[in-house]
Amino acid sequence: SAVISQKPSRDICQRGTSLTIQCQVDSQVTMMFWYRQQPGQSLTLIATANQGSEATYESGFVIDKFPISRPNLTFSTLTVSNMSPEDSSIYLCSVEWRDNEQFFGPGTRLTVL
Amino acid sequence: QKEVEQNSGPLSVPEGAIASLNCTYSDRGSQSFFWYRQYSGKSPELIMSIYSNGDKEDGRFTAQLNKASQYVSLLIRDSQPSDSATYLCAVKAAGNKLTFGGGTRVLVKP
Repeated sequence: SAVISQKPSRDICQRGTSLTIQCQVDSQVTMMFWYRQQPGQSLTLIATANQGSEATYESGFVIDKFPISRPNLTFSTLTVSNMSPEDSSIYLCSVEWRDNEQFFGPGTRLTVL
Repeated sequence: QKEVEQNSGPLSVPEGAIASLNCTYSDRGSQSFFWYRQYSGKSPELIMSIYSNGDKEDGRFTAQLNKASQYVSLLIRDSQPSDSATYLCAVKAAGNKLTFGGGTRVLVKP
């Protein structure tokens, strides 16, 4: 499977600020995704990061709050904007490999004070 | 609302026994089914995928799929303390999006 890295691994931020999370893959992949995992919860898909076009957001998530970039087939960023304590979560990127299986990066643990 | 349901547990299993985890899904159009293992503080790790009815075995893990009953299960044989984790069922319908269940926490007691 692909090797996926995320930066930062964790951060503590003040409310009202923004944080950009990076996701890097060691191979070119068509499909990249961003998920959120709130404390004690399962994974919720935020958006599909499309290379060369705007991301496709799931219900309840908007571009102004979670802008996403996908400049090439190995890299994507997710920004969490104007943060509040409710945004405290683990943010995970994933890639689809061999046209069906998804593999996850190590995650970014975000705490908003 | 497409749903994937799992018993949250914890499922307590003696070491060496079989752990049986269940998952039901609502979307009859679902085509692909996955089991992920997630240790506390770590990201999900894919352990099994299954696409057709029946059983699929990989080492100590067996996935079972019954599309007519909209049911997928995971058996862990000879359970070890290192199997203690949360197991997430994920289902993919048309398209590339995965829908995850809430997860079942498994606790293997020595």
